[in-house]
Amino acid sequence: DGGITQSPKYLFRKEGQNVTLSCEQNLNHDAMYWYRQDPGQGLRLIYYSQIVNDFQKGDIAEGYSVSREKKESFPLTVTSAQKNPTAFYLCASSEAGDQETQYFGPGTRLLVL
Amino acid sequence: AQTVTQSQPEMSVQEAETVTLSCTYDTSESDYYLFWYKQPPSRQMILVIRQEAYKQQNATENRFSVNFQKAAKSFSLKISDSQLGDAAMYFCAYRSFTSYDKVIFGPGTSLSVIP
Repeated sequence: DGGITQSPKYLFRKEGQNVTLSCEQNLNHDAMYWYRQDPGQGLRLIYYSQIVNDFQKGDIAEGYSVSREKKESFPLTVTSAQKNPTAFYLCASSEAGDQETQYFGPGTRLLVL
Repeated sequence: AQTVTQSQPEMSVQEAETVTLSCTYDTSESDYYLFWYKQPPSRQMILVIRQEAYKQQNATENRFSVNFQKAAKSFSLKISDSQLGDAAMYFCAYRSFTSYDKVIFGPGTSLSVIP
């Protein structure tokens, strides 16, 4: 089955710790995205990548980092510089170009201990 | 900058009835895409329907249809014959032609379906 997987489903972070959220897709999509969702709010873009080895900051990139070494993978690291990381994180992908729609993974909930 | 507004934080509908969710947006562009996404309790985002701004015909997808009013910058979603599985958060979203990798989401409307 084609789709997007995210792991883990739940993740706990201690103060001062970096954690990495996984996002993998087998849709052969060129573009991938990371969003953050806080309770009662819509999604906000953290980072996106249109092609391997290239990525751009979204609206709330501070305290986060990403890499795109492979087309199918776009991991997100939540660093200790992110002071309020508790949120729901959604990964998405789309085909390149201006005609396509984003498809989402099931999400990861990050909680701070 | 573009913005998306959903003025109804919560709505409810009786099973088998019809409900309309409102969405307005602000943009100076003439070409763009609009979307409705559904987020059930599982939290996964599911695309419900999309509309290209250059198309005058309203998009329809089974029980879901939109009323796209470009001049009024309005994009409402109508759900007909509501089912229990329609209960979810619904997000209206906008994507520009010029900044095509960024999708702007509204705050969402929580829809409850009453048996």
